[in-house]
Amino acid sequence: GESVGLHLPTLSVQEGDNSIINCAYSNSASDYFIWYKQESGKGPQFIIDIRSNMDKRQGQRVTVLLNKTVKHLSLQIAATQPGDSAVYFCAEINTDKLIFGTGTRLQVFP
Amino acid sequence: SQTIHQWPATLVQPVGSPLSLECTVEGTSNPNLYWYRQAAGRGLQLLFYSVGIGQISSEVPQNLSASRPQDRQFILSSKKLLLSDSGFYLCAWSGQAGGQPQHFGDGTRLSIL
Repeated sequence: GESVGLHLPTLSVQEGDNSIINCAYSNSASDYFIWYKQESGKGPQFIIDIRSNMDKRQGQRVTVLLNKTVKHLSLQIAATQPGDSAVYFCAEINTDKLIFGTGTRLQVFP
Repeated sequence: SQTIHQWPATLVQPVGSPLSLECTVEGTSNPNLYWYRQAAGRGLQLLFYSVGIGQISSEVPQNLSASRPQDRQFILSSKKLLLSDSGFYLCAWSGQAGGQPQHFGDGTRLSIL
């Protein structure tokens, strides 16, 4: 079946370091992917997206990499800050429906 | 800019009572609308989605129903709540064109006693 999963349930990084959150997807026909950030008690917040005709996209302090060969997606956060602490979800769009992974918790310590 | 509102933020209801959660979107027309449920520490499960007024698609069989009486209003309901209906309910919207992100409200924390 189709699924989107995450390799690590929890990632702990020191403030100022770079963070890398990974995600694997199984539907090779998916052509649009999104990263969301969810803080405690709030809804998921859109961070960045990427289409399958690209392998890299950059935003402010964030970069998403897409490797279609191995069906792998990653989110890189530069100079991680305490405010980046949250659960991060990758999601793929399949016939206008979002399929979410289970999430990775990012913990930033001083 | 577009905004999405959900209320209430938290709700405690007894088993067997009815439910009505409301979601409204501002700043856009004819959006796709979605209801999700999120269990603690888990991902999101799509419950219902709507591409227009009165058009509701259900993703999983359950004790809940959804309605869209107006273009930018989406309601999640139940006639008799079960303990298993506890969870975090999220409403989202997206544009009609394919390949667009969904934007979420801040959710309703529902506890069934």
